[in-house]
Amino acid sequence: GQNIDQPTEMTATEGAIVQINCTYQTSGFNGLFWYQQHAGEAPTFLSYNVLDGLEEKGRFSSFLSRSKGYSYLLLKELQMKDSASYLCAVRDDNTDKLIFGTGTRLQVFP
Amino acid sequence: NAGVMQNPRHLVRRRGQEARLRCSPMKGHSHVYWYRQLPEEGLKFMVYLQKENIIDESGMPKERFSAEFPKEGPSILRIQQVVRGDSAAYFCASSPTGPTSVGPYEQYFGPGTRLTVT
Repeated sequence: GQNIDQPTEMTATEGAIVQINCTYQTSGFNGLFWYQQHAGEAPTFLSYNVLDGLEEKGRFSSFLSRSKGYSYLLLKELQMKDSASYLCAVRDDNTDKLIFGTGTRLQVFP
Repeated sequence: NAGVMQNPRHLVRRRGQEARLRCSPMKGHSHVYWYRQLPEEGLKFMVYLQKENIIDESGMPKERFSAEFPKEGPSILRIQQVVRGDSAAYFCASSPTGPTSVGPYEQYFGPGTRLTVT
């Protein structure tokens, strides 16, 4: 079966660091994506991992361990505008469809 | 380069009517994906299409739902005889390449169509 788990909600303070975890069990794997989605808007691409290790992109980093079926998204120097849902998605290796977790709603407080 | 376009952005239908959702992929993209997002839930894959072909419709309900991506024009997701449970946000995404390629080519999402069935 296909299963992707993320925490439902997280809170953090402006300026802090937050780590959003994602575990997955899927029949195929061709990369893991993180998307950001503000309420009522389209998901926007944040990061992509296909090999084990850390990918850094400004204030955002994403880590992948394929053997553990585990990824995390790290957000540094949090800003109020980072309040959004963060979606973890695994790409199927046959048809490229994305299999999404339910998303983690992050609230950043001043 | 315009992004993925979807219309209408909001659609209200009464039970039993038909809903027709349109998606124009980014220029140069020939792969289209439709996803549904129910309130407070994650995105769920529905169907993957290339021009004139349905590649994977494993996420699409067997009845009342259909999708097409003609040679000319936008991709259409059609829902016949809508019911209240069809109320959701429907997102279309496009990508430039398909499963035979490798790389961080992400899917670009449109703004979505919010369908409300009354």
